[in-house]
This record gives sequence, structure tokens and C-alpha cells, in this order.
Amino acid sequence: QKEVEQNSGPLSVPEGAIASLNCTYSDRGSQSFFWYRQYSGKSPELIMSIYSNGDKEDGRFTAQLNKASQYVSLLIRDSQPSDSATYLCAVRNNFNKFYFGSGTKLNVKP
Amino acid sequence: EAQVTQNPRYLITVTGKKLTVTCSQNMNHEYMSWYRQDPGLGLRQIYYSMNVEVTDKGDVPEGYKVSRKEKRNFPLILESPSPNQTSLYFCASSPLEGLGGYTFGSGTRLTVV
Repeated sequence: QKEVEQNSGPLSVPEGAIASLNCTYSDRGSQSFFWYRQYSGKSPELIMSIYSNGDKEDGRFTAQLNKASQYVSLLIRDSQPSDSATYLCAVRNNFNKFYFGSGTKLNVKP
Repeated sequence: EAQVTQNPRYLITVTGKKLTVTCSQNMNHEYMSWYRQDPGLGLRQIYYSMNVEVTDKGDVPEGYKVSRKEKRNFPLILESPSPNQTSLYFCASSPLEGLGGYTFGSGTRLTVV
């Protein structure tokens, strides 16, 4: 079992729709949770961090965390073609170990 | 500007010729790490360091060396590169306190022929 699991996709949504990306993790010692966006051939860019249960909103992005279910999600509202990328879910545990998912590829169709 | 700087961005080399990829960060981060990314395998950690003069193996350390003589620099050394080390490499840094995320460098695409 991988430490962080994501559906590889591709997830296709029409422009203007809500894209919903999901991630589960296995380490109950995980303390911090992150979403990175990575364009092809480029480096991962941190777009959301969440540390406690519930929702955290930043512009068009909302991260959701449910520690009891070991589940993290990212919602992208009003999706744009420029949001087309691979989204990596990552967790950091209390020993400062990072685990990354394999990423979900998102395609936003004009 | 807060950043992690990697050099070079692209490198083609021959088997067995020693090379160094440099990494420097200007955010005073204690924690630095090297990853390689290969299609279908995701990000895999090579080495990491939580302090000057302290380095530890990640998941795929074979064939690599690192050093952390100064807080800002964390070079990756391939003493005898082989074709299976052809990959996209990322350096990343993070503060130890606050459990924040990584800031990644721009990446180094290495080809070993």
C-alpha cells in the first residue's frame, strides 16, 4: 500500500466547472497536508496547505481535510484551461517525512 | 525573491563522468532534500538534510552523494553516472518548524549516455 494514493486520471472537466481532486493517506502521524500543481516538465508549485480538519479556501481553490477518514481533497471552482496540470497530494508527518502521491492529471476543456 | 536555485537546468553527460548539480536556497531553511522524478514512478527522495553536516538517505540513495557544509547549499554528486540515472531532478527546501511544505527548485534534466 502506498503512503499517499491518488487517482492518476486524467480527470476531464469543461471550462467553468468545478474540478474535484481526491487523495487518501495511510500515516496517522501525518500533520500537514499539501496540494502542488505541476505543469509538464516544470517543478511542483505549492498551491494549498491545510493543517486541521475542515475546509480552507484561497481564491478559486478549496482544500478539505478529514483526518478521521484520512482523506484530503482539492476543489477548483470556475476551472480554466490554464488549470490543466498534474496535481500532487503530499503529507508531512511528525518526523518531518514527506510522502507524495503519484498525481492526478487534470484536463480543462475550453 | 525567496527561491531555490538549481544548476544546471539541462545536462547531458557520458557514463562514468563525475558531475555535481548545485542547489542553493535563500530562505534560511533547515530542511533540504533531493528528489528524482520518472514517468510512472512519481517523486522519489534521494537524500535529505535537516541541518548542517547532517544528511540521511532517502528511498533511492544508491549512486548519489550529498553534502551540507553550509545551511544554504546542498549539492548532489554523481560520482560515476549511469544511464539509469537519466531523470528529472528537483532540489527542495522547507523550514523545520511549522511543518510547512517544500519550495522546489526549477529542476535539472539529466541525460546520461
